[in-house]
Amino acid sequence: DIVMTQSPDSLAVSLGERATINCKSSQSVLYTSNNKNFLAWYQQKPGQPPKLLIYWASTRESGVPDRFSGSGSGTDFTLTISSLQAEDVAVYYCHQYYSPLSWTFGQGTKVEIK
Amino acid sequence: QVTLKESGPVLVKPTETLTLTCSVSGFSLSSARMSVSWIRQPPGKALEWLAHIFSNDEKSYNTSLKSRLTISKDTSKSQVVLTMTYMDPVDTATYYCARKKWGDPFDIWGQGTMVTVSS
Repeated sequence: DIVMTQSPDSLAVSLGERATINCKSSQSVLYTSNNKNFLAWYQQKPGQPPKLLIYWASTRESGVPDRFSGSGSGTDFTLTISSLQAEDVAVYYCHQYYSPLSWTFGQGTKVEIK
Repeated sequence: QVTLKESGPVLVKPTETLTLTCSVSGFSLSSARMSVSWIRQPPGKALEWLAHIFSNDEKSYNTSLKSRLTISKDTSKSQVVLTMTYMDPVDTATYYCARKKWGDPFDIWGQGTMVTVSS
């Protein structure tokens, strides 16, 4: 199975400041035939299911604010919140969907207000 | 509007078998590219993918839990069922079902159902 490792486990950021979360996969999730990274990011608020934010490593889901952006390729990826808002307090998960029959998530990164 | 809703027991005893049902609407379980997974999350912990069923009835399981899991679907009822045998307190978690299109990530999730394993 592909292991997804996020860093840090938690971070506290001041309102309006940038938050950066990293995700590393144990093997590449880049499908070379279409040059797409099979990597997604989810946001989970307390008591709610995960919400898809970004897929193909950098494509925002419809309705997701543009302060959320994803980058990276191969095994190293980043989720950036350019200007943290109070409603962004949540746990964020990266997820690989490269494997055709087995999917895994990172351990999560908790984002709080400093 | 696409929705998924989980249902099942809130409490099960150790060694018992858990049966959960995911009722879907807004899409057909027989449509090409459409499929459904079960994913769980122990309190305060990370997400763990459990099992998946495709539109052609092909199934896939988490290798570490494969011997305990069975996934099935009833297309006419728009339901996906997960059974997990020999439940243990470490299986206490919120169990989610989620939709997945072939080649895409999980896009729509149910609200989840909390299952506690205790005698």
